[in-house]
Amino acid sequence: EPEVTQTPSHQVTQMGQEVILRCVPISNHLYFYWYRQILGQKVEFLVSFYNNEISEKSEIFDDQFSVERPDGSNFTLKIRSTKLEDSAMYFCASSPTGSEYFGPGTRLTVT
Amino acid sequence: GEDVEQSLFLSVREGDSSVINCTYTDSSSTYLYWYKQEPGAGLQLLTYIFSNMDMKQDQRLTVLLNKKDKHLSLRIADTQTGDSAIYFCAERDSGNTGKLIFGQGTTLQVKP
Repeated sequence: EPEVTQTPSHQVTQMGQEVILRCVPISNHLYFYWYRQILGQKVEFLVSFYNNEISEKSEIFDDQFSVERPDGSNFTLKIRSTKLEDSAMYFCASSPTGSEYFGPGTRLTVT
Repeated sequence: GEDVEQSLFLSVREGDSSVINCTYTDSSSTYLYWYKQEPGAGLQLLTYIFSNMDMKQDQRLTVLLNKKDKHLSLRIADTQTGDSAIYFCAERDSGNTGKLIFGQGTTLQVKP
């Protein structure tokens, strides 16, 4: 069964550094998402992406964040200058239309 | 804004039924979902229900929806130790792109 994959599984970075989280959505899906889950808190929506552009973003998704689908298969989330409070599990998801299928997540630790 | 609330913890004995409850605020939600998260893993879609349905059954899983009270429940029959996980309720936002709004998750502990 096709799956959403994410790399790396765990990323440790220093405050102020740039990180890129990578995702390979399921191949025939059209909608792509990033969510995050800070330890002990709810899973929160960050951004949705359709037809090569952002369709919706949350208040969390400020100018430090960007998303890209560089080559038709990968879907990336970049954080330009990481802050301590960016430490979280980041989930990528894709959807044909309807139900999202989530990847296993990337745990980002900012020190 | 929209909100989804769940109780945090449920403990049952193997073989018993588990009922995980959820309340939501967006009466315009079209779909409601249950996701399962095992330790170290991602969110696995378990089941979903369309808002014009009252009940959906899928093998050991039964979803009940009370639209009037905005209450959703997930019943797991004959609960097994492998069902131990965190269960997330989520509603589909009725706005723009229909993002998912999650509850905080219910940790289900199944004792042998």
